[in-house]
Amino acid sequence: DAGITQSPRYKITETGRQVTLMCHQTWSHSYMFWYRQDLGHGLRLIYYSAAADITDKGEVPDGYVVSRSKTENFPLTLESATRSQTSVYFCASSHGGSGNTIYFGEGSWLTVV
Amino acid sequence: RKEVEQDPGPFNVPEGATVAFNCTYSNSASQSFFWYRQDCRKEPKLLMSVYSSGNEDGRFTAQLNRASQYISLLIRDSKLSDSATYLCVVIPVTGNQFYFGTGTSLTVIP
Repeated sequence: DAGITQSPRYKITETGRQVTLMCHQTWSHSYMFWYRQDLGHGLRLIYYSAAADITDKGEVPDGYVVSRSKTENFPLTLESATRSQTSVYFCASSHGGSGNTIYFGEGSWLTVV
Repeated sequence: RKEVEQDPGPFNVPEGATVAFNCTYSNSASQSFFWYRQDCRKEPKLLMSVYSSGNEDGRFTAQLNRASQYISLLIRDSKLSDSATYLCVVIPVTGNQFYFGTGTSLTVIP
């Protein structure tokens, strides 16, 4: 059961570079999410998607772009990385609807230097 | 106002102690509630759901108080392996977003 996988797990990039974090789930969940987690802030929602070709902004979307051309994939792109985007990024998925739980990938640790 | 507020702790308790965490939520129409556990440098994982009537899973008890808009997690007979961060999660009736607390850090001391 592959579940939800993220790649790369660890990445160091330079300021101004474009970076894409990949997320793939095998459960056919409708909903997918991208969170970032920083000390003192907890999990903050960047973007989410209710289905293929439907995406919505979360709490902190600036500087990020997402797409969802297929149900199973939900890549997150940092168009021009900044040091403030150094964080751990978690992709997650859910069937959606109240009562349904959310499942997380193992996280992508991104450092912008 | 944040959707979910949680005491960050840290809570440092001896083995065998009982410890309780609370989490308050602002939207009275919230529908579903969960507790997640997150170990250091790992992803959050579901610990247990929170039902209106309260529910137990071994040493863990979860309760919901809709009138006061809070959920609680009680851990009895704490083990060293319980050391982690505990996150509360609240889902609105629309079911399309998950609101996380910032987490409560627990360290169980030998």
